Amino acid sequence: DTGVSQDPRHKITKRGQNVTFRCDPISEHNRLYWYRQTLGQGPEFLTYFQNEAQLEKSRLLSDRFSAERPKGSFSTLEIQRTEQGDSAMYLCASIRLQAPEGEAFFGQGTRLTVV
Amino acid sequence: RKEVEQDPGPFNVPEGATVAFNCTYSNSASQSFFWYRQDCRKEPKLLMSVYSSGNEDGRFTAQLNRASQYISLLIRDSKLSDSATYLCVVRGGSYIPTFGRGTSLIVHP
Repeated sequence: DTGVSQDPRHKITKRGQNVTFRCDPISEHNRLYWYRQTLGQGPEFLTYFQNEAQLEKSRLLSDRFSAERPKGSFSTLEIQRTEQGDSAMYLCASIRLQAPEGEAFFGQGTRLTVV
Repeated sequence: RKEVEQDPGPFNVPEGATVAFNCTYSNSASQSFFWYRQDCRKEPKLLMSVYSSGNEDGRFTAQLNRASQYISLLIRDSKLSDSATYLCVVRGGSYIPTFGRGTSLIVHP
């Protein structure tokens, strides 16, 4: 499978615990994005990387959230001291910059439930 | 005002009907436009890009009106399998795709 891959698919955690999600983008895609989606809403932008550089972070990304893409390939999103409001689907997408339209391709997401 | 606005619906239509969704965007410098389809508890998947000249893919037609800053999606001869949420996506020079909240379509027999 050469699509975007996310791991784990589901995560249940207790409030206050730390969680880490992984995203493996399509290999030739330069840009990698993290989004959060809650029920009845569209995906909301969190942050993105071009290669290994984190170029922008949304105001939604509190200081409990950190993302890395150390070698410009896979990325991790860590949430520290989780809160119930962090429960959501976390989606990763990648884009090949050279593509004419720059369509984003999504992974299947990590569904986080904080209890 | 949200960057990308969509009527959440739901649009409840019989099989065979024609249905149209609109989406408005606030950033006049937006450069690329897309419609994505999202099934329940699944990831968004690209349905079609939207070009200035309008484009068609089978039963689906997308149009862009830059002057009024809206894009539209028309679905003809609706099928049960078209039931999903349709997300409008706009991308500006920053290369950050911005999503609307989606429009829910329910096609019934």
